[in-house]
Amino acid sequence: DAGITQSPRYKITETGRQVTLMCHQTWSHSYMFWYRQDLGHGLRLIYYSAAADITDKGEVPDGYVVSRSKTENFPLTLESATRSQTSVYFCASSDYGTLNTEAFFGQGTRLTVV
Amino acid sequence: AQKITQTQPGMFVQEKEAVTLDCTYDTSDPSYGLFWYKQPSSGEMIFLIYQGSYDQQNATEGRYSLNFQKARKSANLVISASQLGDSAMYFCAMRVVPPWAETSGSRLTFGEGTQLTVNP
Repeated sequence: DAGITQSPRYKITETGRQVTLMCHQTWSHSYMFWYRQDLGHGLRLIYYSAAADITDKGEVPDGYVVSRSKTENFPLTLESATRSQTSVYFCASSDYGTLNTEAFFGQGTRLTVV
Repeated sequence: AQKITQTQPGMFVQEKEAVTLDCTYDTSDPSYGLFWYKQPSSGEMIFLIYQGSYDQQNATEGRYSLNFQKARKSANLVISASQLGDSAMYFCAMRVVPPWAETSGSRLTFGEGTQLTVNP
């Protein structure tokens, strides 16, 4: 299916475990983003990428690692999950980095760290 | 740094009435883009409307319009003739491409959101 998909949709993990959230887009968009959504904070940017092998930190990158070896994939890894990382995570992509380019979002991954 | 502020955590409106959702922004870049997204209870993010910093006219898309006041750094969303299906969370967002980000590209920054409830 065309579009941007995230997996898994729901995940429960234990404190200290490593967990990877997957994001795949079929449009060959250059730009990809990871956000976390928390009540009272809106969407906060974790990491973003302008192209394969080019990534940059957002507002809240601590505790997260990203990679982008292929244009279509942008996995987000929590190296050692903490309860404060319980959140809904959204991946997004956009064709260009120009100002008027909208971003398209995945369905979100609800992560619970116990 | 860029910042988006949405000061209304929740808003209520009667069906068929108009409602304005506030958004103010802060950036030192002269070029920027402003977006509004809708997030229904199902969770997906839906793009509504876009306004560029150099656009002379306010953007409109159907029942949505953007009241852009550049000097006041505000980009309020106006929804006319509200419908029950408009009940959702609404996010204002801003995109800039600062010179130092020419290789890493632009980032898209969101506000905290406003929960709109449309009453019958």
